[in-house]
Amino acid sequence: GAVVSQHPSRVICKSGTSVKIECRSLDFQATTMFWYRQFPKQSLMLMATSNEGSKATYEQGVEKDKFLINHASLTLSTLTVTSAHPEDSSFYICSAKTSGGRTDTQYFGPGTRLTVL
Amino acid sequence: AQRVTQPEKLLSVFKGAPVELKCNYSYSGSPELFWYVQYSRQRLQLLLRHISRESIKGFTADLNKGETSFHLKKPFAQEEDSAMYYCAINTGGFKTIFGAGTRLFVKA
Repeated sequence: GAVVSQHPSRVICKSGTSVKIECRSLDFQATTMFWYRQFPKQSLMLMATSNEGSKATYEQGVEKDKFLINHASLTLSTLTVTSAHPEDSSFYICSAKTSGGRTDTQYFGPGTRLTVL
Repeated sequence: AQRVTQPEKLLSVFKGAPVELKCNYSYSGSPELFWYVQYSRQRLQLLLRHISRESIKGFTADLNKGETSFHLKKPFAQEEDSAMYYCAINTGGFKTIFGAGTRLFVKA
């Protein structure tokens, strides 16, 4: 099956620094990628949807200047948490679809645990 | 707005007992519905979707448009079924909306 990888799997950074998380589709071309945030024992919260070559669409309440998303190729999307603060500590998960079709399966990455000190 | 409701945060059953994880959605059209599962220390993965009408790992789910429900069922629960289960809906756009999830715990 299709595989989505994320790097790094966990990262610890100091408050005020920026952190970049990569999401790659390893064996398929992902026209659409999603970024989610998951708090402990809670559901996935969709942060943004990105289509290759175009600007990401952010969900209400998600600061686009805080969470920069770049989907430069059909196999790579990056999420940069800028000027990170302790409240940004969370589990970030990306997923990818092969097209915009609603019946297409979403394949999820293993997630990245971000801890901001 | 589309919404997915999973009323139970935690469901605990004994091994061999039937299990039903409830899911209700709000959408007036014809949605595409999914169940995703996340086993301990593993990534989220698709379990089944209603359009396929298939049984995966003994689980089935029937779309009931009248009740706007898509409950996940298994006649005999196994310990390895213990996991977090998410119901999700796609109404034709790019994004899929997830429910809050139900943690299933199957006791020996």
